[in-house]
Amino acid sequence: SQQGEEDPQALSIQEGENATMNCSYKTSINNLQWYRQNSGRGLVHLILIRSNEREKHSGRLRVTLDTSKKSSSLLITASRAADTASYFCATDGTGGGNKLTFGTGTQLKVEL
Amino acid sequence: GAVVSQHPSWVICKSGTSVKIECRSLDFQATTMFWYRQFPKQSLMLMATSNEGSKATYEQGVEKDKFLINHASLTLSTLTVTSAHPEDSSFYICSAPTPGGPDTQYFGPGTRLTVL
Repeated sequence: SQQGEEDPQALSIQEGENATMNCSYKTSINNLQWYRQNSGRGLVHLILIRSNEREKHSGRLRVTLDTSKKSSSLLITASRAADTASYFCATDGTGGGNKLTFGTGTQLKVEL
Repeated sequence: GAVVSQHPSWVICKSGTSVKIECRSLDFQATTMFWYRQFPKQSLMLMATSNEGSKATYEQGVEKDKFLINHASLTLSTLTVTSAHPEDSSFYICSAPTPGGPDTQYFGPGTRLTVL
């Protein structure tokens, strides 16, 4: 399977704490993207990092990319209960066609 | 802003019947759309790439005669699950590339299919 792996599978933290999720992938990529999915809903794009970038910020989100290790991390700072969702990394491979390969996902629960 | 819609949001059908799911791009045109399926607490698996005006491209292991895709216009792609069986029960999600880039996709809200 070409699917990426994410860890942890599930993460439970208190509001205000930081949450870190990791993603590993298998093939060469053009970019890596992080998406969020609320239970039973579609996905919302959070942030994209290109293969020649190492770190990117967007609000409370910080993404890193290490292409030598084929891994990425998503950090959510000062988490809120509303951040409770599943988070997926997705890679856009060099094969073209805009096809995304999703990781296994991390279920984040932020408790009050 | 650009949005992708799906209809229906959920459907229950009897085994052996066919079910059609629509995916529409609102306020933008999509020559390509993607269809995914997602089992409970699992990730999205790409099923096929829907191409406007031409045949869909299916991923390995996906039966093209089972999952019929039609992309007849620049704003509509349909997925028909033919002769559905309980193992076809899943969450089906479509997406379309963000118009003008940057390589991201807009996802529909998904369709929950339950086959009895």
